[in-house]
Amino acid sequence: NAGVTQTPKFRVLKTGQSMTLLCAQDMNHEYMYWYRQDPGMGLRLIHYSVGEGTTAKGEVPDGYNVSRLKKQNFLLGLESAAPSQTSVYFCASRYSYPVRDNRNEQFFGPGTRLTVL
Amino acid sequence: GENVEQHPSTLSVQEGDSAVIKCTYSDSASNYFPWYKQELGKRPQLIIDIRSNVGEKKDQRIAVTLNKTAKHFSLHITETQPEDSAVYFCAAKDTGNQFYFGTGTSLTVIP
Repeated sequence: NAGVTQTPKFRVLKTGQSMTLLCAQDMNHEYMYWYRQDPGMGLRLIHYSVGEGTTAKGEVPDGYNVSRLKKQNFLLGLESAAPSQTSVYFCASRYSYPVRDNRNEQFFGPGTRLTVL
Repeated sequence: GENVEQHPSTLSVQEGDSAVIKCTYSDSASNYFPWYKQELGKRPQLIIDIRSNVGEKKDQRIAVTLNKTAKHFSLHITETQPEDSAVYFCAAKDTGNQFYFGTGTSLTVIP
């Protein structure tokens, strides 16, 4: 199992450009999340999905859109990138119920480092 | 929404000593509290978690305590080792499906 993978690993954009980040998981998880991590601010939830075809806003959704057309994939889109969106983006997934040892663990992808100039 | 505060932001301990990191949360309905370890340039990894119906949980050198009345929970690492050096994050899950993270504690274990 590959677990949670993210594409691309690094990207540099110019202000106003658009791009899509791809998250894929092979664990048949129902829930998927997109976070951004900035220095000194921990992880903040952008959007999440509780199942195929569903999405919901998190703490910091402005400037981002998401889609979950297939259960294993969760896409994060930036329509018009801004320097404030320079960050490390993490995707995560988990089951909808506790499993082994009653854990309800989120599994994180390796991250995408995005720089907007 | 939920608000999670974490202290201290940095912590240095001598190898073999204990380390304690504390978090508070605001939403009394939050029901799941995981702790993550993140090494430089890597993804967060779950190290221990606790549910709201449990007061304490231990896994070898790591333990977590939860005080629901005071709305705070703590991570305890005993007999620290240099490989424990990392950034640690606490989090709280609300009754929906959202996780709220603390701002992290950078732990340095001095050999």
